[in-house]
Amino acid sequence: KNEVEQSPQNLTAQEGEFITINCSYSVGISALHWLQQHPGGGIVSLFMLSSGKKKHGRLIATINIQEKHSSLHITASHPRDSAVYICAATGNQFYFGTGTSLTVIP
Amino acid sequence: DGGITQSPKYLFRKEGQNVTLSCEQNLNHDAMYWYRQDPGQGLRLIYYSQIVNDFQKGDIAEGYSVSREKKESFPLTVTSAQKNPTAFYLCASSKTSGNVNEQFFGPGTRLTVL
Repeated sequence: KNEVEQSPQNLTAQEGEFITINCSYSVGISALHWLQQHPGGGIVSLFMLSSGKKKHGRLIATINIQEKHSSLHITASHPRDSAVYICAATGNQFYFGTGTSLTVIP
Repeated sequence: DGGITQSPKYLFRKEGQNVTLSCEQNLNHDAMYWYRQDPGQGLRLIYYSQIVNDFQKGDIAEGYSVSREKKESFPLTVTSAQKNPTAFYLCASSKTSGNVNEQFFGPGTRLTVL
């Protein structure tokens, strides 16, 4: 069993839709990261959070420590949001989810 | 600009050959990491280094070797002993090895064994 589970694995949305990607973890953590991987392969860190909620532009990340659950929301989705979104939990090491592949159709 | 560079972006190797992947960072980070990414799987840790001249095995170190002679550089050698070397390899660094520090990733190297 993976320490970090993401859902859904694949997601297709129409431009403008509100998108939610979920992440559950089973280990004790110090922080939860959301990463974005574009088709070229490079990874960019979107958020690092240990409690509550963070917002950056159209992206919102939340975490519920008691439930060991985090969500990444994208408002007014756009084709340029198409990427793989990876959840990673940091405890005594980094634990990575398998990623959610998002395709936003114009 | 500060960042992490990996070279080459694409690498082809004949079966039985060793190959070295480069990773350089100018972020003055202490810790560096090598991950392997396969389709449908999360990133898996190969090796990490918390400080110069020191490195530790990750979850899948067999068939790989590293060195950390300089703070800026953490090259990974994929040896002929690695049974399934075809994969996407990502290098990362963080300020310290502390577990709340953000990792910065390089652009990756896609290795294909022919």
